[in-house]
Amino acid sequence: ETGVTQTPRHLVMGMTNKKSLKCEQHLGHNAMYWYKQSAKKPLELMFVYSLEERVENNSVPSRFSPECPNSSHLFLHLHTLQPEDSALYLCASSLGGDNSPLHFGNGTRLTVT
Amino acid sequence: GQNIDQPTEMTATEGAIVQINCTYQTSGFNGLFWYQQHAGEAPTFLSYNVLDGLEEKGRFSSFLSRSKGYSYLLLKELQMKDSASYLCAVLDSNYQLIWGAGTKLIIKP
Repeated sequence: ETGVTQTPRHLVMGMTNKKSLKCEQHLGHNAMYWYKQSAKKPLELMFVYSLEERVENNSVPSRFSPECPNSSHLFLHLHTLQPEDSALYLCASSLGGDNSPLHFGNGTRLTVT
Repeated sequence: GQNIDQPTEMTATEGAIVQINCTYQTSGFNGLFWYQQHAGEAPTFLSYNVLDGLEEKGRFSSFLSRSKGYSYLLLKELQMKDSASYLCAVLDSNYQLIWGAGTKLIIKP
């Protein structure tokens, strides 16, 4: 139990589909993050929310749309994805301090066909 | 540009010691993290160094030299469960986390 739960664990979708990834944290943290992890590449930060407000968007394509309805929940809405978007999508949370460690979920393995 | 370098893969023997190196070139420095990630699982926090020197936590130790832009993670008395990827990440001057690609550690009996 990591304290950060992501669903689904695996997702296969076509390029015309719309799907959503869900993340929930039970740690009382103030900041939540979406990362993309591709094989043999560094983690790529996609979005950061602090106290439910988006504070960073690292030039992510608009086919990825985040939503943070409260400090415990984070969504990533997906539409018209490309095969190169296939990756592991990791959600993380932290207390929000500059050097606070990140607590990650187990990720959603996304395959775009 | 900003860069973190780690070996892609290392192999070690159960019961032995292994050192995983991380070198960085970043715009400023506000600390360095090590994370462990087992295959198919979440990365988990191992250590944070902001001052030079060695920090020990049980079988794992992390070293930092800011003047050299260098850190290492030392794992002693290796166990099979230590087979995992080890991720190095640096907080730059803007408190952005810059990540390495990770080192896959394979432990053999």
